Amino acid sequence: KQEVTQIPAALSVPEGENLVLNCSFTDSAIYNLQWFRQDPGKGLTSLLLIQSSQREQTSGRLNASLDKSSGRSTLYIAASQPGDSATYLCAVLLSDFGNEKLTFGTGTRLTIIP
Amino acid sequence: DAGVTQSPTHLIKTRGQHVTLRCSPISGHKSVSWYQQVLGQGPQFIFQYYEKEERGRGNFPDRFSARQFPNYSSELNVNALLLGDSALYLCASSLEWAGELFFGEGSRLTVL
Repeated sequence: KQEVTQIPAALSVPEGENLVLNCSFTDSAIYNLQWFRQDPGKGLTSLLLIQSSQREQTSGRLNASLDKSSGRSTLYIAASQPGDSATYLCAVLLSDFGNEKLTFGTGTRLTIIP
Repeated sequence: DAGVTQSPTHLIKTRGQHVTLRCSPISGHKSVSWYQQVLGQGPQFIFQYYEKEERGRGNFPDRFSARQFPNYSSELNVNALLLGDSALYLCASSLEWAGELFFGEGSRLTVL
């Protein structure tokens, strides 16, 4: 059974700092990994999708890396802003032909202090 | 272009009742998936449908069922509601079955 862990569960940093969020998964037979942000009471917003054959993806101030062999992904946020405050979730799509399952981590609640 | 739309946004039911939640995917998207999110936890996968066929199923009881229509919209049905079914139910769509997911704002279900 795929397990996805995100550490830390919560993080507070001053505005302007660079930061790294971590995501670990137990089964390396994945199709892809996706990072999302979720604002309170809202749906999820896609940030980055990394296919299993890729090592990293970048979008603006965000960079996500994937190391399948170690079962790890990191989300790097550069020059953090108060608007980045949200819960960040990673999700892994497990290869199981005909019955693929997406497994989410429990998230990291990020607070950027102005 | 419209994003993923879900209805209703909020609803209150009593134990033992039945509920139907609806989802319209982004135009052109062929895959729809459903998730349950309890407060303070990450979403839990319920079902995925691709081209109107069930592609994946999570660890939920048979009280949960879903289907996808020819226009790729989808319904999630939950029978014999329990208090523990109270949650935010999220729908996501993607172009292909393993593509980038785009989520709706969810349907918040309260079971009394």
